[in-house]
Amino acid sequence: AQSVTQPDIHITVSEGASLELRCNYSYGATPYLFWYVQSPGQGLQLLLKYFSGDTLVQGIKGFEAEFKRSQSSFNLRKPSVHWSDAAEYFCAVGAGNAGKSTFGDGTTLTVKP
Amino acid sequence: DAGVIQSPRHEVTEMGQEVTLRCKPISGHDYLFWYRQTMMRGLELLIYFNNNVPIDDSGMPEDRFSAKMPNASFSTLKIQPSEPRDSAVYFCASSLAGSQGSPLHFGNGTRLTVT
Repeated sequence: AQSVTQPDIHITVSEGASLELRCNYSYGATPYLFWYVQSPGQGLQLLLKYFSGDTLVQGIKGFEAEFKRSQSSFNLRKPSVHWSDAAEYFCAVGAGNAGKSTFGDGTTLTVKP
Repeated sequence: DAGVIQSPRHEVTEMGQEVTLRCKPISGHDYLFWYRQTMMRGLELLIYFNNNVPIDDSGMPEDRFSAKMPNASFSTLKIQPSEPRDSAVYFCASSLAGSQGSPLHFGNGTRLTVT
């Protein structure tokens, strides 16, 4: 069975500082991995995805993530955080064509001015 | 592309009443998912459909919950009778199989409050 762990429930960073959100997954085959962002009162929006090829993937809003098979990780990074990045972030592992994704519990990001 | 459309955005009802949530997926998508989000339990998959057929409803909490997808452009999630513990945000999402990992496209959700 697939599973996702986001070890950090809440992270606070200062505006302009770098950010890394952690994600560890468990999956028997090559995973499809996703990061989503949820702003208050909104649905989840896809930030980026990995399904094959280059292990460093670029997403929207200046985010990137690196797939590390040896560590079963897919951490999300951003070099300089903006106040508008404050939101909840979800990592998910998918079964590809089956369409069904398993989500982590989310990490809430607070940005200090 | 209008995205996934859910209605209503907010629903307040009394315990025991029937509640129907509606979803219009993105045109051409062949998977549709219903999720529930609460502070205590996070994001839970309730049921999903492929080509209008329910594939996995193991996440539906109990018989009070039912979901239908009569055609490719419409789905409903019904709770009858509703209870206060059903209060949550309910999300509908759709995806296209084989589309580079099939990411989910979410609607903005229906916030349900049962008093």
